[in-house]
Amino acid sequence: DIQMTQSPSTLSASVGDRVTITCRASQSIRNWLAWYQQKPGKAPNLLIYMASNLATGVPSRFSGSGSGTDFTLTISSLQPDDVATYHCQHYYSSPWTFGQGTKVEIK
Amino acid sequence: VQLVESGGGLVQRGGSLRLSCAASGLTFSSYSMSWVRQAPGKGLEWLSYITGGSSTTYYADSVKDRFTIYRDNTKNSLFLEMSSLRDEDTAVYYCARTSNYAFFDVWGQGTVVTVSS
Repeated sequence: DIQMTQSPSTLSASVGDRVTITCRASQSIRNWLAWYQQKPGKAPNLLIYMASNLATGVPSRFSGSGSGTDFTLTISSLQPDDVATYHCQHYYSSPWTFGQGTKVEIK
Repeated sequence: VQLVESGGGLVQRGGSLRLSCAASGLTFSSYSMSWVRQAPGKGLEWLSYITGGSSTTYYADSVKDRFTIYRDNTKNSLFLEMSSLRDEDTAVYYCARTSNYAFFDVWGQGTVVTVSS
């Protein structure tokens, strides 16, 4: 199975800061990667697919990049509404696995 | 598009439970679907997948031979039949519409399953 490792586990930043979350796959997954945002007590919501494609309705301050084994999710200017846990997921081959999540807080 | 799960609850270790997911606002039979769970304080775990016509199913090793995914396209419904439940099956269970590339683009609100001894 392909293992997904996110870092950091928790991130605290100020409103307006640029925030970067990293996701690393245990083997190449080309660009078969998605990112999800999960607000407290809610279901996950698709943010990005194919590593860099923004899902419908997602604000442009979110962006994704990477290919192969190393990927990043960037929030260009952190907003209070962005407080959430962010999960990466590969879909290169079954079983499709997620990272452990990165919790983003406002400092 | 809306997905609404139901059927969760408290069940004894070794028991069984059937989860349902009612879909609306989409041509249900055209979409593959999956179940994903999240144990308390933990990350997301994909469990099972079924194609629109039910011709193909996949399972995670953790639930293979214990859980069965199926669907009724005439009722726009997805199901997860769970048996031999263990403490570690305690989680929020989500149904999710699954794209052709196997990312999850629509999620339900989740239903809670608690396995007690």
